[in-house]
Amino acid sequence: AIRVTQSPSSVSASVGDRVTITCRTSQGITNDLGWYQQKPGEAPKLLIYAASTLQSGVPSRFSGSGSGTEFTLTISSLQPEDFATYYCLQDYINPLTFGGGTKVEI
Amino acid sequence: EVQLLESGGFLVQPGGSLRLSCAASGFTFKNYAMSWVRQAPGKGLEWVSTVNGGGVTTYYADSVQGRFTISRDNSKKMVYLQMNSLRAEDTAIYYCAKRFGGYGMDVWGQGTTVTVS
Repeated sequence: AIRVTQSPSSVSASVGDRVTITCRTSQGITNDLGWYQQKPGEAPKLLIYAASTLQSGVPSRFSGSGSGTEFTLTISSLQPEDFATYYCLQDYINPLTFGGGTKVEI
Repeated sequence: EVQLLESGGFLVQPGGSLRLSCAASGFTFKNYAMSWVRQAPGKGLEWVSTVNGGGVTTYYADSVQGRFTISRDNSKKMVYLQMNSLRAEDTAIYYCAKRFGGYGMDVWGQGTTVTVS
């Protein structure tokens, strides 16, 4: 199975900060990676698919980049509603595997 | 409105069985693969299983292979997860999710809670 290593596991930030989260995969997955946001008590929400394509309705302050084995989610200017846990998911081959998550805290 | 609604979560003893259901609405159900994803208390997300649109091809995580069975009824717009030989480590919220082509999961249900104890 492809291993997905997500870092950092947590980050403390303030409103207006730029936040970057990284996922590395144990083998190349072209651009088959997505990013999800999960708030406490809620289901995950798709933010970005195919490494860099913004899902409909997601604010443009979210962006994704990368291909192969290294991927990045960037929040350009953190807003109060962005405090949540973020996960990446490799969708290249079964079994699908998630990163361990990054909790973005105030 | 596109919607997924899970049901069937319960408290069950180790070694027991349970069937989860997921009712879909608002999209052409038969055209999309469907997945189950779970989240143990205080832990991250874990993909469990996927079934293709026709219900013929299925995939499972190693942790549930041989114990869980995913299936679907396109006439009823339902997807199921039959869980047998349940273990304490299967305790989790189970989410049903619509596959977005080959691009992950774009619609999620609210989850149903399974407790094995």
